[in-house]
This record gives sequence, C-alpha cells and structure tokens, in this order.
Amino acid sequence: GAVVSQHPSRVICKSGTSVKIECRSLDFQATTMFWYRQFPKQSLMLMATSNEGSKATYEQGVEKDKFLINHASLTLSTLTVTSAHPEDSSFYICSAMGTDFSAEKLFFGSGTQLSVL
Amino acid sequence: ILNVEQSPQSLHVQEGDSTNFTCSFPSSNFYALHWYRWETAKSPEALFVMTLNGDEKKKGRISATLNTKEGYSYLYIKGSQPEDSATYLCAFLVQGAQKLVFGQGTRLTINP
Repeated sequence: GAVVSQHPSRVICKSGTSVKIECRSLDFQATTMFWYRQFPKQSLMLMATSNEGSKATYEQGVEKDKFLINHASLTLSTLTVTSAHPEDSSFYICSAMGTDFSAEKLFFGSGTQLSVL
Repeated sequence: ILNVEQSPQSLHVQEGDSTNFTCSFPSSNFYALHWYRWETAKSPEALFVMTLNGDEKKKGRISATLNTKEGYSYLYIKGSQPEDSATYLCAFLVQGAQKLVFGQGTRLTINP
C-alpha cells in the first residue's frame, strides 16, 4: 500500500524556536495533505488542509502565522511551528490522499511528538 | 460542531473472544464513514471506507456495519488475537466537505 513518511518522530526544543515537520508520500502523488494535532486522550483534530501549489486552508482557531504549511510538490508537505511555546507541545500527524477524496482512504504518517521546554 | 463518539474508550478482551465497539455520528449530511487501526508507534492504517446505509464490510476476522439513518457503525472482531491490540478510530465525512472528523478511538487490549 501507499506509504507516507513523517520526520522527525520526536523533537524537543526550547521555547521561542521554530520546528519543521516533513511529510512525504513515497510511492504516490498526494494532491491533498492534512495536518492533525492530538492532545492526550483526545481525538485527532484537523488543523489544516493543503493542496499542492495553493495556500493551505486552516480550521477555525488555528493560527496560520503560527503553523506555517507548505505543499510545494505532490510528494512533500511541511508544517513549521514558529516561535514554539510549551502550549504547542502535542502530537502532530499528517495524512495524504491521491485523487478522489469521496472514495479514498487516508494514508498517515507515523506522527511527531513535539515537546517545547 | 460535528461530534463523533466512540465507545467504549478502552476495552480488555481475552484472546480468542469476540468483541465489538461502536461509532456514533450525525445522521444528517452523511457521506462516508472510515475505520482505521492504529498500533502503537505505527501509522494509522485504513480498515474500511463505508458509504451506503446497511453496508457490511469484512477483512479477515474484522467486519463492520453501517446505519446512516440512526448514525452508528459497529466494528466486530472475531476470535481476538494479540496482534489485534490497537486503537481503533472511526471518522465521519460530511457531504460537501473535504475533511474527516475523528472520534477519540477505542483502545483494545487483547490479553493472552
């Protein structure tokens, strides 16, 4: 099946620094990628949807200047947490799909655990 | 706000026993219901995508049913094995929207 690679799997950073998380589709072209955040014992919450070559669509309450998403190619999307603070500590996971959203399942990365000190 | 509820939140089952759990979702504007299995330290993996009321899907010992009129789906595991231990997520796709709304998941542990 299709593979989505997400790096890094874990990152610890100091408050005020920026962290970039990469999500790559290895054997298919991902026209759409989704970024989720999960707090302990809660659901996966959609942060934003990105389509290749266009600006990401952010969910209500997600700061676009804080969470920069770039989907420059059909195989790569990045999420940059800018000026990270302890409250940004969370589990971030990406997912991707090919063409027909209505019929297709999502392929997920393995997630990134971000800890901001 | 769309709400997808899964119950129970966690479940311990003896190896060899069968089990099932529930996903409840809004019955209006339904488009699709997804089930994923998420093993620790791995990526969530799709089990089923269900779109029709009354749909039943099966993959080995795992099967799922769908009732869109009353807004629920059941996932069944027959003859549980230790490798079935995982968190099972369901996700609801609203008609016209390009996003899935996830439940909290049911964490299943199979005791040998």
